[in-house]
Amino acid sequence: QLQLQESGPGLVKPSETLSLTCLVSGGLIISSSYYWGWIRQTPGKGPEWIGSISYGGSTHYNPSLTSRVTISVDTSKNQFSLKLTSVTAADTAVYYCARRGEQWIVNEAFDIWGQGTMVAVSS
Amino acid sequence: DIQMTQSPPSLSASVGDRVTITCRASQRISTYLNWYQHKPGKAPKLLIYAASSLHSGVPSRFSGSGSGTDFTVTISSLQPEDFATYYCQQTYSHPHTFGQGTKLEIK
Repeated sequence: QLQLQESGPGLVKPSETLSLTCLVSGGLIISSSYYWGWIRQTPGKGPEWIGSISYGGSTHYNPSLTSRVTISVDTSKNQFSLKLTSVTAADTAVYYCARRGEQWIVNEAFDIWGQGTMVAVSS
Repeated sequence: DIQMTQSPPSLSASVGDRVTITCRASQRISTYLNWYQHKPGKAPKLLIYAASSLHSGVPSRFSGSGSGTDFTVTISSLQPEDFATYYCQQTYSHPHTFGQGTKLEIK
């Protein structure tokens, strides 16, 4: 069955760039029925939708992050990535990657999630 | 952005109880509403999409209802594995915002 696994540094210095990768296994990232997304969560708060990308590279970003975020896809490696520039302590969170089904499948919900990876921003 | 407000923030209940969690949107979102279950250290799970459609593999004791601005998820008879945090999410417009969560605890 399809699985997603996040990877990347667990510690990033302030003002630097946070980079995470999500490896998709058990299925192909090339699908017209799904987008691939990133969500983050800080303790005590609800999840924050960061953005999503299709296998063809079409993206949607959260306007609150759009000036700092880039999501890209590498179909040859069956993975997609998140870059967040100029990070501050406010970007400390658990970051999840997830598959988002099209509206006619699951109402654009995230139907498969990775386990999440904790990223701390600190000097 | 559309704000999603869940109530209550936390809830204590016993195995076998019927439990309802509410989610309210700051504007009308038709049925573009999803519910997730999240346990500590685990990947969140999709429970319900489009306000009332049960995701594949989700037990039938879960049900969802609502449209417009007010939505609920109900667990008809709580099981030990249901104690978790529940989140709603709107997919009516970007960004697809989530509620702040309802933590369901054992009484």
